[in-house]
Amino acid sequence: GNSVTQMEGPVTLSEEAFLTINCTYTATGYPSLFWYVQYPGEGLQLLLKATKADDKGSNKGFEATYRKETTSFHLEKGSVQVSDSAVYFCALSRTDSWGKLQFGAGTQVVVTP
Amino acid sequence: EPEVTQTPSHQVTQMGQEVILRCVPISNHLYFYWYRQILGQKVEFLVSFYNNEISEKSEIFDDQFSVERPDGSNFTLKIRSTKLEDSAMYFCASRGDNSPLHFGNGTRLTVT
Repeated sequence: GNSVTQMEGPVTLSEEAFLTINCTYTATGYPSLFWYVQYPGEGLQLLLKATKADDKGSNKGFEATYRKETTSFHLEKGSVQVSDSAVYFCALSRTDSWGKLQFGAGTQVVVTP
Repeated sequence: EPEVTQTPSHQVTQMGQEVILRCVPISNHLYFYWYRQILGQKVEFLVSFYNNEISEKSEIFDDQFSVERPDGSNFTLKIRSTKLEDSAMYFCASRGDNSPLHFGNGTRLTVT
């Protein structure tokens, strides 16, 4: 079946540091890939998505590229801020069903001043 | 920006009691979902709902669970006889055609 594996947290880094969160997936066919973010006390918010191989999703300085050859969708940001402290979830869905998501375990990111 | 709203934010109930979790999806959305996250575990799909019927459900969603859209705005999840292992954060979500999911802030259900 489908599954998503992402690096364990917490990831602690200083403001302006480079952030990478690894995400790999197992899926049949050609899934769509997503990153969701959960700020403290809030729900899951879509951060970015990619629907086919080599697509790059980007939003708020975050980027992730759909790599079919390595079945990966790593999240990166060049210079993090304290306000980026949150839990980040990698997820996939079938291309024809964006509503049924398979989530990774989530990675907590803590950015210190 | 329109939001999915869930009430209550925290619900405490005794084992064996019925509980109803409430959600107001975004008004022009047509597809509705419930997910849950047991503490320390992954966010899991429970059920999807479209055109007034369940379109897909997971094996978690057994006969103890039901969903309903009682009017044009609300979407509810009912657990008939709660068990300790139903304690979790429950997220409602909705989407329009060809658009990704929008989630609510969740209801934390504690079964004692």
